[in-house]
Amino acid sequence: TQLLEQSPQFLSIQEGENLTVYCNSSSVFSSLQWYRQEPGEGPVLLVTVVTGGEVKKLKRLTFQFGDARKDSSLHITAAQPGDTGLYLCAGEGRAGNNRKLIWGLGTSLAVNP
Amino acid sequence: EPEVTQTPSHQVTQMGQEVILRCVPISNHLYFYWYRQILGQKVEFLVSFYNNEISEKSEIFDDQFSVERPDGSNFTLKIRSTKLEDSAMYFCASSESRGSGNIQYFGAGTRLSVL
Repeated sequence: TQLLEQSPQFLSIQEGENLTVYCNSSSVFSSLQWYRQEPGEGPVLLVTVVTGGEVKKLKRLTFQFGDARKDSSLHITAAQPGDTGLYLCAGEGRAGNNRKLIWGLGTSLAVNP
Repeated sequence: EPEVTQTPSHQVTQMGQEVILRCVPISNHLYFYWYRQILGQKVEFLVSFYNNEISEKSEIFDDQFSVERPDGSNFTLKIRSTKLEDSAMYFCASSESRGSGNIQYFGAGTRLSVL
């Protein structure tokens, strides 16, 4: 069974600080996706990383896929209150042909002004 | 921008009743998914659907669950006899392809409350 462990589960920081969220597994994933979910809404895709070692940047967000495609990180530089929300990682499973997503528990981020 | 639409946004039902959750995937997408998220727990895969049949289903997706694409636009999840533990957010997703890195687009979800 493929599992994704995401940490930390909760994070409260001050505006301007940097933070990193981690997503780890003992399994290899075809790709790893990061989502943001607002209360009462569905997950919204931020980025997909596919190649081992890949780094993608989205403004102040930097996403990295581990060389072995078993882990990923999300780094936010100079966090803003607008970054507050739930961040979820999801790995594309290798079983079957329809690429089901296997999810981490999420990191609830609060950025205080 | 195209989006996945789910109705209703909130469904309240009595234990033992049947419920149908509805989804309208993005029009040119061919792969459809249902996930659920029990409060405080991980999002869990339920089922994937392609070419009018189930491609893969999880252990959660037992005989009480079924999916259907009754016409060219809707994709439904039916729970025949709801249990208290079926209370959760149910998310529908669709994707254009199944290749590696395929993007699944999610609806806003249906909150199912079983009393």
